[in-house]
Amino acid sequence: AQSVTQLDSQVPVFEEAPVELRCNYSSSVSVYLFWYVQYPNQGLQLLLKYLSGSTLVKGINGFEAEFNKSQTSFHLRKPSVHISDTAEYFCAVSENNAGNMLTFGGGTRLMVKP
Amino acid sequence: DSGVTQTPKHLITATGQRVTLRCSPRSGDLSVYWYQQSLDQGLQFLIQYYNGEERAKGNILERFSAQQFPDLHSELNLSSLELGDSALYFCASSVGDPGSGYGYTFGSGTRLTVV
Repeated sequence: AQSVTQLDSQVPVFEEAPVELRCNYSSSVSVYLFWYVQYPNQGLQLLLKYLSGSTLVKGINGFEAEFNKSQTSFHLRKPSVHISDTAEYFCAVSENNAGNMLTFGGGTRLMVKP
Repeated sequence: DSGVTQTPKHLITATGQRVTLRCSPRSGDLSVYWYQQSLDQGLQFLIQYYNGEERAKGNILERFSAQQFPDLHSELNLSSLELGDSALYFCASSVGDPGSGYGYTFGSGTRLTVV
């Protein structure tokens, strides 16, 4: 079975600073990886996903993530954050070609300060 | 609007009661997933239905049950409610399995408060 660990429960950062939200996964087989964002009082929205090919994946709202197989990581980055990026971010994994559901990490609350 | 509709948005009920949460998936999506989100447990997978059939089961209590109807909407039934069942319940839908590269589309959730 797969699992996901988001190492930071909260990340405070000043507006226009860069940010990295860390995600590590564990699985005995190949995986697909996803990042979702949850704004206050809303459902989760897909930010980006890694299926295959280039290990650098670009998503919506200027976010990108890099898949590192040797380190079993899929960290999310943004070069310059805005107040509106304040939200909860979830990393999720599914087994490649076999997984019929997503396993989510515990989430990281990104708090952007003016 | 994500296209996944959940009703009601808020529900307050007493311990021991039974409630039904409803989800209409995005048009064309055959799979429906139910997740429970609480502060201490995070997002926990409960159950998945695909085109009317139960496909996968997660950490769903015996007091909870679900079904998917021919029109593909789904209901999650929670009975003998306890204070610890207070949480945000999300429904998500997808056109295919995440294992085939498909992500979920989430509804906005039902916030259940058991008093």
